[in-house]
Amino acid sequence: SQQGEEDPQALSIQEGENATMNCSYKTSINNLQWYRQNSGRGLVHLILIRSNEREKHSGRLRVTLDTSKKSSSLLITASRAADTASYFCATDGTGGGNKLTFGTGTQLKVEL
Amino acid sequence: NAGVTQTPKFQVLKTGQSMTLQCAQDMNHNSMYWYRQDPGMGLRLIYYSASEGTTDKGEVPNGYNVSRLNKREFSLRLESAAPSQTSVYFCASRSKGAGTGELFFGEGSRLTVL
Repeated sequence: SQQGEEDPQALSIQEGENATMNCSYKTSINNLQWYRQNSGRGLVHLILIRSNEREKHSGRLRVTLDTSKKSSSLLITASRAADTASYFCATDGTGGGNKLTFGTGTQLKVEL
Repeated sequence: NAGVTQTPKFQVLKTGQSMTLQCAQDMNHNSMYWYRQDPGMGLRLIYYSASEGTTDKGEVPNGYNVSRLNKREFSLRLESAAPSQTSVYFCASRSKGAGTGELFFGEGSRLTVL
């Protein structure tokens, strides 16, 4: 079963607006990562937040992590048409095994 | 820099045929992974190799086999393809062990089984 579930499944916004995506997971984690996938391409890593961190920033990206609620959010500020893509969270669990488990993703469309 | 290279990019098979997806990375990474991506399902882990010489099952291993040929290469084999294996397959790698490190992905192999 999928570890992470993203919400919403799809999001459509206007350029310049902020986009917020949420991820919930089920078990204890070492870290949580966000990836981006442009249509027809491979996934690209965006940001990693460790289990002892609560917030992290990278450029226009802001990620929060609440381990008590087993949830994370990705905020993209001042969105651009080029941000149109699918976004996935992935969890690196503490159960061992050296594997990342991905959620189902949020499809973001940024319109001009 | 090539990163993670997958071949072939596209393949059409008939039910019952076999094929091998090839993956190679040039980043000296220890761990390599095979995922499949289906609409609405996100990415599901098929098999992974934490280090050269080891392989482990992921979430959906049935119908697949893998070989970690050396540190650079990790292949995925479908012995008898079924229509349910129609999917996009992604190979990925990362440098560090459990609990750390980002994944680097190939561009995907799009497989259709008729």
